[in-house]
Amino acid sequence: KQEVTQIPAALSVPEGENLVLNCSFTDSAIYNLQWFRQDPGKGLTSLLLIQSSQREQTSGRLNASLDKSSGRSTLYIAASQPGDSATYLCAVSQGNKLVFGAGTILRVKS
Amino acid sequence: DAGVIQSPRHEVTEMGQEVTLRCKPISGHDYLFWYRQTMMRGLELLIYFNNNVPIDDSGMPEDRFSAKMPNASFSTLKIQPSEPRDSAVYFCASSQGQGKGHFGDGTRLSIL
Repeated sequence: KQEVTQIPAALSVPEGENLVLNCSFTDSAIYNLQWFRQDPGKGLTSLLLIQSSQREQTSGRLNASLDKSSGRSTLYIAASQPGDSATYLCAVSQGNKLVFGAGTILRVKS
Repeated sequence: DAGVIQSPRHEVTEMGQEVTLRCKPISGHDYLFWYRQTMMRGLELLIYFNNNVPIDDSGMPEDRFSAKMPNASFSTLKIQPSEPRDSAVYFCASSQGQGKGHFGDGTRLSIL
């Protein structure tokens, strides 16, 4: 059974800092990996999707990497801003099903 | 693009009552997913459809839960009878193939 773990569970950083969120998964037979953002009381917004054949994806200040063989992904956020404060979830796709991690709660202090 | 639309946004009802949650996926998307989110268990997939056909309902917790997708633009998740432990946020999501998942804002369900 696929298990997805995210570390740390919570993170508080000052504005402007670069930061890394970590995601690990137990079964490397994945189709793709997605990073989502969830704001309080809202649904999830897909930030980046990395296909299993890819190593990384970039969007603006966000960069996600994937090492399928070791079962790890990282989300790098450059020059963090208070507006980045949210819960970040990692999810791996097996078949057509997404298996989610518990998320990392990020707070960026101004 | 209106996004995935869920209704109601909030539902409070008494134990034993029937609850129906509704979802309108993004036009053109061929996959529809129902998830449940709780503090204890995180996000769990309940059921998903492909081209209106239920493909995997192994995440549906009990027979009290049922889901339908009568056409490409509408799906329901029904709980009958409801119990307090069903209290959670229920999300509907849709996607085109195995592309990015698009989530609705969820229905916050409270069973008293």
